[in-house]
Amino acid sequence: AQTVTQSQPEMSVQEAETVTLSCTYDTSESDYYLFWYKQPPSRQMILVIRQEAYKQQNATENRFSVNFQKAAKSFSLKISDSQLGDAAMYFCAYRHFGNEKLTFGTGTRLTIIP
Amino acid sequence: DTAVSQTPKYLVTQMGNDKSIKCEQNLGHDTMYWYKQDSKKFLKIMFSYNNKELIINETVPNRFSPKSPDKAHLNLHINSLELGDSAVYFCASSELPGQSSYEQYFGPGTRLTVT
Repeated sequence: AQTVTQSQPEMSVQEAETVTLSCTYDTSESDYYLFWYKQPPSRQMILVIRQEAYKQQNATENRFSVNFQKAAKSFSLKISDSQLGDAAMYFCAYRHFGNEKLTFGTGTRLTIIP
Repeated sequence: DTAVSQTPKYLVTQMGNDKSIKCEQNLGHDTMYWYKQDSKKFLKIMFSYNNKELIINETVPNRFSPKSPDKAHLNLHINSLELGDSAVYFCASSELPGQSSYEQYFGPGTRLTVT
């Protein structure tokens, strides 16, 4: 069974600084997708960024980028120029290609310090 | 224009009652899901439906019964509610497995409190 581990229950960063959230996963599959979701206090789940396992290039979305290390099964999220609106729970998630099921990590609560 | 909507957003009820949560998506997706987020914020899939057919049932108690009248709706009915059912329930939808975009779009969640 696939598992997703987020070892940092809480992180904090100064506004305008950069922070990296860690995620590791365990799978025996070779084709899969990885995601980072953001859940602000409104509790809406918002997709931040996704990575296809077959792509070597790391995904980027504006201030958000990932460091995808397939061999190490690591998928960290880097947030540059942190803003107050980035404060939220961040969930790493895994899905095997062709399978509907999303497996989530336990989340990291990110606090932005003004 | 809400993509995935759920009603109600909040639900407070007593143990033993039966309640339903409704979900609708206007994205034209074929696949819909129910997730449960517990008090520790852990999110776990409960069910997925593909064009009204049950695909995933993650060892959820029989008291939970999803119903999909059409591919745009997936309702969750819960019988004999227990204290442990208190959680936030999320509905989500996506295109068919194998589609390149395949992002799951989540509803706003329903906070269920059982007293």
